[in-house]
Amino acid sequence: SAVISQKPSRDICQRGTSLTIQCQVDSQVTMMFWYRQQPGQSLTLIATANQGSEATYESGFVIDKFPISRPNLTFSTLTVSNMSPEDSSIYLCSVGKKGQVRGNTEAFFGQGTRLTVV
Amino acid sequence: AQSVSQHNHHVILSEAASLELGCNYSYGGTVNLFWYVQYPGQHLQLLLKYFSGDPLVKGIKGFEAEFIKSKFSFNLRKPSVQWSDTAEYFCAVNVRDTDKLIFGTGTRLQVFP
Repeated sequence: SAVISQKPSRDICQRGTSLTIQCQVDSQVTMMFWYRQQPGQSLTLIATANQGSEATYESGFVIDKFPISRPNLTFSTLTVSNMSPEDSSIYLCSVGKKGQVRGNTEAFFGQGTRLTVV
Repeated sequence: AQSVSQHNHHVILSEAASLELGCNYSYGGTVNLFWYVQYPGQHLQLLLKYFSGDPLVKGIKGFEAEFIKSKFSFNLRKPSVQWSDTAEYFCAVNVRDTDKLIFGTGTRLQVFP
């Protein structure tokens, strides 16, 4: 398993500002993911962050809006830039750990960061 | 593109009632399947997972799910729900070797004593 710590747990921000969310894992992992969970909705993958390479963004998400850093195998940050009220959401960090059988990956989640933009 | 559908958006049950939550996915290749639960104010937790083998998978807290490949389904079941099962339930699919999860829209379950 993996224990994931996210900071901050919640924040209220002014529109036009940026917030950086930190994700710390208790073990080295190759794959880290950032998800968004908008109010009353499911989780949407923002990007995949692998150490040593640029993040891979899903359709509808761009690096200028959601820059990601992955300096080592236990840490990542997601920045929500130039925020607007539409960015109000829960942002979740997730890590993938491969099982003993190739291709079987299990995901673990942090508690999330609840962001409100006013 | 892969997608996951959860047919029930909001389910209300009395304690001891049986539960079945539907989940269908669209992808023709090999997949791994998961059910996650999110209790109020808590983070996502894994209920159960299917990688291969017996299509009937048993998870924590008395939950089970059956993978029916011909129907592209992975429905979640519990024979007798408890008030503590009140939560949001998410079905997720991982296309093997891609590592990322695609989530369904979620089902909100409310259990009344």
